[in-house]
Amino acid sequence: QAVLTQPSSLSASPGASASLTCTLRSGINVASYRISWYQQKPGSPPQYLLSFKSDSDKQQGSGVPSRFSASKDASANTGILLISGLQSEDEADYYCMIWHSGAVVFGGGTKLTVL
Amino acid sequence: EVQLLESGGGLVQPGGSLRLSCVVSGFTFSAYFMTWVRQAPGRGLEWVSAISLSSGTTYYADSVMGRFTISRDNSKNTLYLHLDSLRVEDTAVYYCARNLELFDYWGQGTLVTVSS
Repeated sequence: QAVLTQPSSLSASPGASASLTCTLRSGINVASYRISWYQQKPGSPPQYLLSFKSDSDKQQGSGVPSRFSASKDASANTGILLISGLQSEDEADYYCMIWHSGAVVFGGGTKLTVL
Repeated sequence: EVQLLESGGGLVQPGGSLRLSCVVSGFTFSAYFMTWVRQAPGRGLEWVSAISLSSGTTYYADSVMGRFTISRDNSKNTLYLHLDSLRVEDTAVYYCARNLELFDYWGQGTLVTVSS
């Protein structure tokens, strides 16, 4: 079982909200980790969006709009990236990441389609 | 303005070697951990290696341990990745990134192709 699991794809309509999930493997407690999120558009390097450990320990990337936010669902052992007011330019791949046992782990990525 | 610029990629035969460089500007290089991340064609992101501020501590993914070596020269604001015993599956765009627990700035990447 992968350390971080993301759905491979998600579709949503312009103006709507999209919740992208990042589920941690059983035995790895989401409350203990800072989860960072990245957006990548075709042909471009990843861009840092934000990181979230708790409501009192979070960071927004420089220039990242406030309609990108993050949270955790402890009951599902999951980190969540919420994008509100979806725009066509939000169509991209999104990756979650944690630092775990002396190494960085990325989720497999979610392709978000805005249509 | 923070900038990271990778170079050194290219075509190499299996078993060959390469050295990648990442020159940075716009921030105090010696104050940050630095990291290499790669992305195979059409695939997701894979962390490769990281290095502490003064090179005292290095970290490697299992897939490259013993074959790749990360280093830095704080006097030249430059991060390096030496790739040895290259395999076809090492073919990827290699990105340098700032920091350790979160990567707030990334370079544009350099393509390494391992093929005979």
